[in-house]
Amino acid sequence: KAGVTQTPRYLIKTRGQQVTLSCSPISGHRSVSWYQQTPGQGLQFLFEYFSETQRNKGNFPGRFSGRQFSNSRSEMNVSTLELGDSALYLCASSFQGGNTDTQYFGPGTRLTVL
Amino acid sequence: DQQVKQNSPSLSVQEGRISILNCDYTNSMFDYFLWYKKYPAEGPTFLISISSIKDKNEDGRFTVFLNKSAKHLSLHIVPSQPGDSAVYFCAANFGNEKLTFGTGTRLTIIP
Repeated sequence: KAGVTQTPRYLIKTRGQQVTLSCSPISGHRSVSWYQQTPGQGLQFLFEYFSETQRNKGNFPGRFSGRQFSNSRSEMNVSTLELGDSALYLCASSFQGGNTDTQYFGPGTRLTVL
Repeated sequence: DQQVKQNSPSLSVQEGRISILNCDYTNSMFDYFLWYKKYPAEGPTFLISISSIKDKNEDGRFTVFLNKSAKHLSLHIVPSQPGDSAVYFCAANFGNEKLTFGTGTRLTIIP
């Protein structure tokens, strides 16, 4: 079974631009969660999508948004990029998204904002 | 407000000895705890979990201990192997709530 894939793996943008990251979950998984990883902050939860609906949202500004398609693939968008948005963005999929449902992570997209 | 804390950013252990990684949490609602392992350029991979109804869960060389009264959990790796060198994250949640991660501990196994 193929794992979680994320594209692109690396991205360089400048302040003010916007970016879209993509995540393809494991086949059959309906829950996709997004996390931001920065040094010293660990993984911080952005949002979770289940069956095309946002089910949970973390404490990030409205510049961060996402969506999920009918095939469970998910995209994350960051508008008006700031230097502080430089991070590793990880998505994780699970079957239903319940708290004992193991999440499987993709390799991440490394975003650098100049 | 860091609800899950890993106070040791790094840890070095001799190969063959025991590695003990610690994690503290503040939210008493948490009832499920997990450890993830992360290699550079890869996403975290699930290692082991424990429900709050237990105080110990073992899987091969990995054992997780949960002390609910102290709001503390630990991961024991014995014996430690060079391939265990990675960043370890503890995480917690309850119900359908999001996973809350700690900041990670970088474990280095010295041959």
